[in-house]
Amino acid sequence: GDSVTQMEGPVTLSEEAFLTINCTYTATGYPSLFWYVQYPGEGLQLLLKATKADDKGSNKGFEATYRKETTSFHLEKGSVQVSDSAVYFCALMGGSQGNLIFGKGTKLSVKP
Amino acid sequence: DGGITQSPKYLFRKEGQNVTLSCEQNLNHDAMYWYRQDPGQGLRLIYYSQIVNDFQKGDIAEGYSVSREKKESFPLTVTSAQKNPTAFYLCASTIPGLRGPLGGYTFGSGTRLTVV
Repeated sequence: GDSVTQMEGPVTLSEEAFLTINCTYTATGYPSLFWYVQYPGEGLQLLLKATKADDKGSNKGFEATYRKETTSFHLEKGSVQVSDSAVYFCALMGGSQGNLIFGKGTKLSVKP
Repeated sequence: DGGITQSPKYLFRKEGQNVTLSCEQNLNHDAMYWYRQDPGQGLRLIYYSQIVNDFQKGDIAEGYSVSREKKESFPLTVTSAQKNPTAFYLCASTIPGLRGPLGGYTFGSGTRLTVV
């Protein structure tokens, strides 16, 4: 069945460092891909998405490119801030019912 | 503004009690979902509903029950049969299969349930 694998955390970076969180997927067909962010004690918020191969999703300085050839959707940010500290979830939406399938989440901590 | 509301934010349950978590949305979404999140863990699907008066079990439905009598509402009952209910519960909604800019889930802010 469809699945999402993302790098395990926690990831600890200094402010202004470059961030990459790896995400790969297994799916039949052409799923839509998502990154969600969860701040402490809150629900998930959509960060960015891409619906077809080679699409780049971007928001708040974060970017991810839908790579069909490598079945990947890695999240990147050029310069992280303390306020980016959160848990990041990669997800795909596929199949006839359109349910989201989530990775296990990666906790990011950014130190000043 | 449209959104999805979960209540209460914090809930305490005694051993052997049933409790009900509320989830209401005014987004006109057909599908609604309940997830459980344990500390440091990912999301596990409890139940979901694609249409009013119909719902399906997710991966961890045992000890939980739901109803979907109205499109806007999808309450989750944590029964006494759920032996380890302490967790963070998240509700979400979507228009099934919708791609493009409006596709994806909208999440509520969660309910933290603690057994005392």
